[in-house]
Amino acid sequence: ETGVTQSPTHLIKTRGQQVTLRCSSQSGHNTVSWYQQALGQGPQFIFQYYREEENGRGNFPPRFSGLQFPNYSSELNVNALELDDSALYLCASSRDRDQPQHFGDGTRLSIL
Amino acid sequence: GEDVEQSLFLSVREGDSSVINCTYTDSSSTYLYWYKQEPGAGLQLLTYIFSNMDMKQDQRLTVLLNKKDKHLSLRIADTQTGDSAIYFCAESEERDDKIIFGKGTRLHILP
Repeated sequence: ETGVTQSPTHLIKTRGQQVTLRCSSQSGHNTVSWYQQALGQGPQFIFQYYREEENGRGNFPPRFSGLQFPNYSSELNVNALELDDSALYLCASSRDRDQPQHFGDGTRLSIL
Repeated sequence: GEDVEQSLFLSVREGDSSVINCTYTDSSSTYLYWYKQEPGAGLQLLTYIFSNMDMKQDQRLTVLLNKKDKHLSLRIADTQTGDSAIYFCAESEERDDKIIFGKGTRLHILP
């Protein structure tokens, strides 16, 4: 039990649509990171939020955006979906800087 | 740039020891991790080691770090069928920093 919950577990969208994925962390987890894991690959860092501000971004276009809320939940938004966006999206959170990050079970997004 | 390399497959007989190897390129890596991913599941943090350590043991798991060669290994003693999964080697500069993952090693257990 990691204390990180993601929803939904699975999602099917079509090209050009927009999607919002959600993550809920334990109370006190001020840092949340999002990763994309394509089939057969390791997770790739998308971005991180710390106390509701973006705190680092990987090599992903601006149509990937995020939000973090005061209640320790966060969102990943992806606009203008492309076929290559099909992947498992993972959320990870930790308390400040003294604990390792723990991952949720992810949302599997399929683009048709 | 930052890169983490690991072999893609490993087959081990039940009861034997499994050794999964990994190399990384980032000299600033401070934390080195091993994550386990079972089919359809997220990532489970198995163990991690600080770059100023050579070895860490946790029950059946032993992590060895050769910082000079940037080589990390995970040894699983007495491998069981429940150990069948994909194992990811990963690194970060700080504990809450972005984590750079390898592509994962699929561990297959032979009866």
